[in-house]
Amino acid sequence: AQKITQTQPGMFVQEKEAVTLDCTYDTSDPSYGLFWYKQPSSGEMIFLIYQGSYDQQNATEGRYSLNFQKARKSANLVISASQLGDSAMYFCAMREEYSSASKIIFGSGTRLSIRP
Amino acid sequence: NAGVTQTPKFRVLKTGQSMTLLCAQDMNHEYMYWYRQDPGMGLRLIHYSVGEGTTAKGEVPDGYNVSRLKKQNFLLGLESAAPSQTSVYFCASTPRTTGKGVRKNIQYFGAGTRLSVL
Repeated sequence: AQKITQTQPGMFVQEKEAVTLDCTYDTSDPSYGLFWYKQPSSGEMIFLIYQGSYDQQNATEGRYSLNFQKARKSANLVISASQLGDSAMYFCAMREEYSSASKIIFGSGTRLSIRP
Repeated sequence: NAGVTQTPKFRVLKTGQSMTLLCAQDMNHEYMYWYRQDPGMGLRLIHYSVGEGTTAKGEVPDGYNVSRLKKQNFLLGLESAAPSQTSVYFCASTPRTTGKGVRKNIQYFGAGTRLSVL
């Protein structure tokens, strides 16, 4: 069965430092997609970045990059030069290619706090 | 450019009361979902729908019912609210794709409904 694990309930980082949020997953499907969402204190879920299991390169979106290590089944989110506005909950999620109705599963999240 | 709209944003119920949460999307998406978010547990799928007139159970369906009479709307009902249903509820939608496109489908979320059951 597919599963997402985020082992860091909370993190504190100094502004302008880089931060890595951990995510490990478990699936027996060779074809899947991995997602990261941000949830600020206002509550909405914001899509950040996507990585496909067959993608040769790690995904990048501005200051966000995904450190994808397929053999280790990890998909860590890296935020470069953190900003105060990065303070939020971050969720890792996964979809198997043959998941019915495009369902995805979420990890329990990591609360990131940026110190000025 | 509304996307996914949820109403209401906040609600307080007494145990045993009923209510309906409305989700509306204007992106012509086939698939729609209802999640609940509890502290430390991420998002858990309650029910979902793959099209007008069809619904299915997710991970935590007990105590909830849903209906999808129109493609753009997905309703979540609580017939007899219980304190255990105090949570934040999210609706999401995504288009139907096939093949490798399925992996990349992004789910678009509403702003959430904060429900307290006393």
